[in-house]
Parts: sequence; C-alpha cells; structure tokens
Amino acid sequence: GAVVSQHPSRVICKSGTSVKIECRSLDFQATTMFWYRQFPKQSLMLMATSNEGSKATYEQGVEKDKFLINHASLTLSTLTVTSAHPEDSSFYICSAPDRGLPMNTEAFFGQGTRLTVV
Amino acid sequence: GNSVTQMEGPVTLSEEAFLTINCTYTATGYPSLFWYVQYPGEGLQLLLKATKADDKGSNKGFEATYRKETTSFHLEKGSVQVSDSAVYFCALLGLGGSEKLVFGKGTKLTVNP
Repeated sequence: GAVVSQHPSRVICKSGTSVKIECRSLDFQATTMFWYRQFPKQSLMLMATSNEGSKATYEQGVEKDKFLINHASLTLSTLTVTSAHPEDSSFYICSAPDRGLPMNTEAFFGQGTRLTVV
Repeated sequence: GNSVTQMEGPVTLSEEAFLTINCTYTATGYPSLFWYVQYPGEGLQLLLKATKADDKGSNKGFEATYRKETTSFHLEKGSVQVSDSAVYFCALLGLGGSEKLVFGKGTKLTVNP
C-alpha cells in the first residue's frame, strides 16, 4: 500500500533553535497533507492542513509563525518548529490522504517525530 | 463541521474477552470511516476502513460496520489478545478535496493475560 515517510523519527534540540520535520508520500501524489500533534494521554490535535502550491490552513490557536509549513511539491511537506521551547516537546505526526484511490479514500500516516527541546 | 465522538477509556480486559469501542460521527454527505491503531512508541496504522453505508471493514479479527442510520462505526473483536493492547482511534475523512481527517480522542486498551 501507499507509504508516507516522516523524518526524523527522533530529534533533540536546544531551546531557541529551529527544527524541520519532513513528510514524504513515497508512491502517490499528495496535494494535501495534515500535521498533527499528539499530547500525553494520546489525544491527536490537528495543527494545520498543508496544501501543495498554496498557503497552509492553520487550526485555531496554532501559531503560524511558530510552526512553519511548506508544501513545495506533490510529495513533500515540511513542518519547521521555529525558536523551539521545552513546551514544544511532543510527538508530531503527518498524514496524507490518497485521493486517487477508489472511492476517494484513505489517509496514510508517517511514523511520527518525537521532538524533545532541552 | 465534521466530528467524531469516541468512547473514552481506558478499557481493561482479560484475554479472550469481547471488545466493543463505540464511535459515532457527525458529517455531511457520505464520509469514509476508519479505525487506526497506535502501538506503544509507534505511529498510527490503519486497522480497517469502510467507505459507504453498510460496508463492513475487517482486519486481524476486528470488525466495524458503517451505519448511516445511527451514524456509528463501532469497533468489535470477539476475543482479544494481549498483543491487541494499544490505543485505538476512530476517524473520518470527508470526500471534498480539502476535507480534513478528523479523529476521535482515542481509546487505550489494555489486555491482561
């Protein structure tokens, strides 16, 4: 089946630095990708919807300047956490729906990125 | 907008017990419905899906039926195993090109031997 590759799987960075997370669809084109943040006790929060060739759509309460999203091609979206702080430490997950499938369905997930800001 | 309401856990069962995790949704039109599973320390994996009313998704002994009349997609398994311990997410994907994948809050299942 379709695969979404997310990189890196783990990253530790110093407070104040920026971290870039990549999400690639390996065998299908993804005009849309979703970025989620998973908090303790498992709830998934949709942060933003990444749209190829246009600006990302951010959910309410998510800082656009803090979480920069770029979707430069049909197979790659990036999330950059700028000026990271310890409270940004979390598990970030990307997802891409393969709308070319029959019935216009199915979303595939990256393996997630564990970010730790020290 | 679209939304998913999922039974809150945690759920603790003994091996070979029957499992039900309830999921109901609110959506316009006919969305696709999914159950995802997350094992400890890992990302999400698709467990099963259904794309239209009355479809039954099944995988690894788990089943869920897309019920349009009750807007539900309950997850069931007749006999759980210790290896089924994980967090289960119900999700919905609208059919529009810009629709979001919407998740329930997740249900943590622990199966004891």
